[in-house]
Amino acid sequence: AQSVTQPDIHITVSEGASLELRCNYSYGATPYLFWYVQSPGQGLQLLLKYFSGDTLVQGIKGFEAEFKRSQSSFNLRKPSVHWSDAAEYFCAVGARGGGADGLTFGKGTHLIIQP
Amino acid sequence: DSGVTQTPKHLITATGQRVTLRCSPRSGDLSVYWYQQSLDQGLQFLIHYYNGEERAKGNILERFSAQQFPDLHSELNLSSLELGDSALYFCASSVGPGTAPYEQYFGPGTRLTVT
Repeated sequence: AQSVTQPDIHITVSEGASLELRCNYSYGATPYLFWYVQSPGQGLQLLLKYFSGDTLVQGIKGFEAEFKRSQSSFNLRKPSVHWSDAAEYFCAVGARGGGADGLTFGKGTHLIIQP
Repeated sequence: DSGVTQTPKHLITATGQRVTLRCSPRSGDLSVYWYQQSLDQGLQFLIHYYNGEERAKGNILERFSAQQFPDLHSELNLSSLELGDSALYFCASSVGPGTAPYEQYFGPGTRLTVT
């Protein structure tokens, strides 16, 4: 069965500083990979996805993520965070060969932005 | 706005009761997925319907059931409610499972409180 680990429960970053959120997955092959963001009281918004091809993927709001097969990782990055980036971030994996099964999510990383 | 709608936004009910949560997918999407988000379990996949038929089950209790109607909206029925069922329930929609890459778009969620 697939699984996702987000090692950092909380991360605090100063506004304007760079950000990297870690995600490690366990899956028998290359999965579909996603990052979602959840603001307080809101649903989940898709930031970016990796299906195949270029291992560096660009998303919305200036985020990018890099798939590293050798490390089973899909870390999310942003060069300069804004106060509005404060939210909960979830990494998720989906199985290949059909999307019948739902996504498997990590426990999330809570991002705090310091002024 | 993802285009996925969920009603009601909040629901407060007592133990032993039954409730129905409603979800309308994005226009053109045939798949509806249901997820439960709780503090202790995180985000968990419950069940998936595609074009009216059940396609996959996740960690869904026997007290819970779902269906998808001809107009593609879906309902999640929760019965014999317990305090532990208090959670945020999300639905997500996608074009379809298939074998092609897919991505899921989430609704704003229904917050269920069981007292």
